[in-house]
Amino acid sequence: DARVTQTPRHKVTEMGQEVTMRCQPILGHNTVFWYRQTMMQGLELLAYFRNRAPLDDSGMPKDRFSAEMPDATLATLKIQPSEPRDSAVYFCASAAAGHGGETQYFGPGTRLLVL
Amino acid sequence: DQQVKQNSPSLSVQEGRISILNCDYTNSMFDYFLWYKKYPAEGPTFLISISSIKDKNEDGRFTVFLNKSAKHLSLHIVPSQPGDSAVYFCAASLDLTQGGSEKLVFGKGTKLTVNP
Repeated sequence: DARVTQTPRHKVTEMGQEVTMRCQPILGHNTVFWYRQTMMQGLELLAYFRNRAPLDDSGMPKDRFSAEMPDATLATLKIQPSEPRDSAVYFCASAAAGHGGETQYFGPGTRLLVL
Repeated sequence: DQQVKQNSPSLSVQEGRISILNCDYTNSMFDYFLWYKKYPAEGPTFLISISSIKDKNEDGRFTVFLNKSAKHLSLHIVPSQPGDSAVYFCAASLDLTQGGSEKLVFGKGTKLTVNP
């Protein structure tokens, strides 16, 4: 049963600390998305990658957020320094290239709380 | 500025009745629409989609209706079951076959509760 996995599932940290979230996409998927869910904004796209190269990161605050794919099996989202307004659920999704949104498979999310 | 709007944060219906979830969009360039379902502590999962060349798409108990002139779509669930209780997200994109991309713009979601 192929699934997107995300670690950690929960993270509580203090303001100013670095936070790293990890995602393992489904094997064979070459497109990876990072989303953030908040009560105010709903589900918003932060960035996405194709074949490990960033295609669009226009939704991501550039000053403190960074996203990378060190290899095809790992995507990371870092926040440094973290702020209370970053508290949200962060989802990773993966898909095969060239297909519509219905083929995006989401992970279970990382629930982040910044105190 | 929300391009995809779900104005009802919550909806409660009785088991066996119809659930109607609504979604409005502002960007007339959108031509592909999707509904996702999300249970607590899980990621969203794809439910049903519709292209702008259609006005209706049906899959079992789920039907999506699209009114392009009104920039409005709705998801009908008939009959509703307690297991349908979840948050439903409406999403929009540009059709890949028309040169669009996989980027999805989501609404804030509607929490559906189906009471036994």
